[in-house]
Parts: sequence; C-alpha cells; structure tokens
Amino acid sequence: GNSVTQMEGPVTLSEEAFLTINCTYTATGYPSLFWYVQYPGEGLQLLLKATKADDKGSNKGFEATYRKETTSFHLEKGSVQVSDSAVYFCALLTGNQFYFGTGTSLTVIP
Amino acid sequence: DTAVSQTPKYLVTQMGNDKSIKCEQNLGHDTMYWYKQDSKKFLKIMFSYNNKELIINETVPNRFSPKSPDKAHLNLHINSLELGDSAVYFCASSQDLATIQETQYFGPGTRLLVL
Repeated sequence: GNSVTQMEGPVTLSEEAFLTINCTYTATGYPSLFWYVQYPGEGLQLLLKATKADDKGSNKGFEATYRKETTSFHLEKGSVQVSDSAVYFCALLTGNQFYFGTGTSLTVIP
Repeated sequence: DTAVSQTPKYLVTQMGNDKSIKCEQNLGHDTMYWYKQDSKKFLKIMFSYNNKELIINETVPNRFSPKSPDKAHLNLHINSLELGDSAVYFCASSQDLATIQETQYFGPGTRLLVL
C-alpha cells in the first residue's frame, strides 16, 4: 500500500539552528512527493514538491531531495527562524490521491 | 479574499446530534475534498468530488455524507455524531483531480468537539 512515515515530534530548536525532519515513504508506481506546512490556526499550505528521483524542491530556505534508493524526502533548513514554528506534513501523490504523514510539530525559540 | 472558506470555525455539539459543515471555494476549481485531522495531527482524506463524480473513501462511516449543490460548494453532513468524530475537518480544492501540477488549496479548518 501507500504510506508516509515522518519522524515523531515535537521538535524544539533554537533560532538559527539546522533543521532536519525525516520522511520516508512506501508507494506503488512513481509518486510525487510534497511537504506541506500548517501554521497555528490555519490550513495546510504547500511548501515544496518534487516529481521524480533526484529532484530537489526548495522554498523559503527549505529544501528536500527525492531519494528513490532510500525512499526518502527529508526536509532541511540551514537556519530556522521563530516564524518557522508550525506543523510540517510530508505527503505523496499517486493515483490522483494524496497520502499524508502524521505531521511533525516544530517550535523555534529565540 | 479567502480562496477556500469553511463555516463554522468551531462547532461544539452533543453526541447523537446531526450537524453540517460548509465549504466554499472561489477559485473556479472543479475538484473539492474533505480531510479529517485527528488529535495526533494525522490527516486523512475522507472524500473527493470532481465536478461529476463523488469518490468515497471506504473507511468513512456512512453517517458522513458530502453534498455539493454546485461545484463551488462541498458541504459535509454528519448524522448521529459520536465522540470519536471530534477532530479538525479541512476542506480543500484543486483545479482538477490531484496531480503534481494541481496544487491543493486548504481551508482554515473546522474544529468539531462532540460532548
């Protein structure tokens, strides 16, 4: 079946720290991969995406590389800010349907 | 202007009641969705509706019924509410069925609490 596994949260970092949120997936066929972000009290927003192996998605300083050999799509940011505090969801798209991970809560403290 | 809006934002009700959550999108999209996010932040699709066809997730109890008066609206009606229905429900839309080119736009969520 299709599924997404994210690292358990919550994650608490100091401002300017390096961020990694792990994501691995199981899918039939060749899925597309996404990271969504949910700020407090809001709906999910697309952060970045990748369509095929070795593609790198990037946005707002966040990056993730589609690794087919390890079935992973880890999210990274070199220097986090307080405004990055949110819940981050990894997702895959296959067969016109999204499958979301459980979300990882990130809190960045000044 | 809000692209995808939901009402109400908060809903507190007694077990056994029937309630509806409304969703409207002003993006001209053909496809709309309902997701349920539980207390552990797990987000799971419930339904997708592509203008002509309602795709029902088999794991959703038949107490849940989506209703679409037109392609800009997809309301969620819930009969005989149970404690386990407490969650945040998100509406979303996309131009067409989900593909890599089709970004989904999410509403702000409706927080349902069943007492």
